[in-house]
Amino acid sequence: GESVGLHLPTLSVQEGDNSIINCAYSNSASDYFIWYKQESGKGPQFIIDIRSNMDKRQGQRVTVLLNKTVKHLSLQIAATQPGDSAVYFCAEGPIKAAGNKLTFGGGTRVLVKP
Amino acid sequence: EADIYQTPRYLVIGTGKKITLECSQTMGHDKMYWYQQDPGMELHLIHYSYGVNSTEKGDLSSESTVSRIRTEHFPLTLESARPSHTSQYLCASRTGGTDTQYFGPGTRLTVL
Repeated sequence: GESVGLHLPTLSVQEGDNSIINCAYSNSASDYFIWYKQESGKGPQFIIDIRSNMDKRQGQRVTVLLNKTVKHLSLQIAATQPGDSAVYFCAEGPIKAAGNKLTFGGGTRVLVKP
Repeated sequence: EADIYQTPRYLVIGTGKKITLECSQTMGHDKMYWYQQDPGMELHLIHYSYGVNSTEKGDLSSESTVSRIRTEHFPLTLESARPSHTSQYLCASRTGGTDTQYFGPGTRLTVL
């Protein structure tokens, strides 16, 4: 079936360095992608999203890159801070799908070392 | 920050009990969702709703049921809880004009 997956289950990064979290998707019909951050004991928090008609989108300290050719999505966090320690999930969803169902990949845990 | 609330945040109950997990949002969102998530794992959609009196089953089979009598309220009920229902349950909502789903804090359920 269609799936969304992450390459690295755990990413350790030094405070101040940049982080890159990768995600592969398999549904070529997906045209909406989103990254969530989930801290311990909390619900997922929206970080940034991107539509398939774009290949890059920037937010505050975060950038999402979309490569439709290889079905790859990445999240870049600039100058990683201790508050960035969390589990990050990517998700995909066809815009026109009933109920806008999102398919989530397995999370990547980011650990920021002081 | 989205205004979506879930109660209780934590619940420990015995097998066979009936429980209802509450989810409310004050944003007037017409679409609401329930996900089940084991620790550190991906989210699985178990129910969703387009609006009042609309409910649909999600991708993951669940013994729970939902109702949508009011726009702001989307409760999930387990008639007879079992240890296999132990998990975190996340509620989300979105407006029809956007694809972004906003999540509540979750209810962590433990069935003994």
